[in-house]
Amino acid sequence: NAGVTQTPKFRVLKTGQSMTLLCAQDMNHEYMYWYRQDPGMGLRLIHYSVGEGTTAKGEVPDGYNVSRLKKQNFLLGLESAAPSQTSVYFCASSSPGGLNYGYTFGSGTRLTVV
Amino acid sequence: AQSVSQHNHHVILSEAASLELGCNYSYGGTVNLFWYVQYPGQHLQLLLKYFSGDPLVKGIKGFEAEFIKSKFSFNLRKPSVQWSDTAEYFCAVRVGSGTYKYIFGTGTRLKVLA
Repeated sequence: NAGVTQTPKFRVLKTGQSMTLLCAQDMNHEYMYWYRQDPGMGLRLIHYSVGEGTTAKGEVPDGYNVSRLKKQNFLLGLESAAPSQTSVYFCASSSPGGLNYGYTFGSGTRLTVV
Repeated sequence: AQSVSQHNHHVILSEAASLELGCNYSYGGTVNLFWYVQYPGQHLQLLLKYFSGDPLVKGIKGFEAEFIKSKFSFNLRKPSVQWSDTAEYFCAVRVGSGTYKYIFGTGTRLKVLA
């Protein structure tokens, strides 16, 4: 009963490097989300997906790309990392009816860009 | 634009004190309301939710919240806090029944002194 799994849990990147964060859910949820959490700013939505093969921009999409090739996976890519992308990244998922009852969150990825 | 405000950014209480954390949102239509808790180093967990019906909702660990539609508020309360309640608390709002996204507040850090 894994729920939402994020990999990796920690990562340090150098400015300009690229990486991909993986979010996997085993609840057959249609909707998946990527948020970033920064001190004093709460959670801000980066991108989200309402189904396999679809993605949409959230509040702070610049510098990130996403893909949802399989229903259970939602990938977040950083093409050229910048120090401003140092943050904790959370993935979440929900079913259409489940939106009334709350997201399920992953445990987070702490990313540091130096 | 819709927004969620949590006016208390940091709260320090002694054990057994009563807690009330404020949450206000800016939207006049149908809303779903949530409080999430994030213990140090952990992911967000759902504390309680309001979908419809009784505006006084009870959640886990003795927390409750009251939805006051006329004040656009959903304040979190607990009669007697414990040291283990030390955490960050986030209010979230789903604006309208047709939306896929939640809007999160900036969070309130609660420290309970033993």
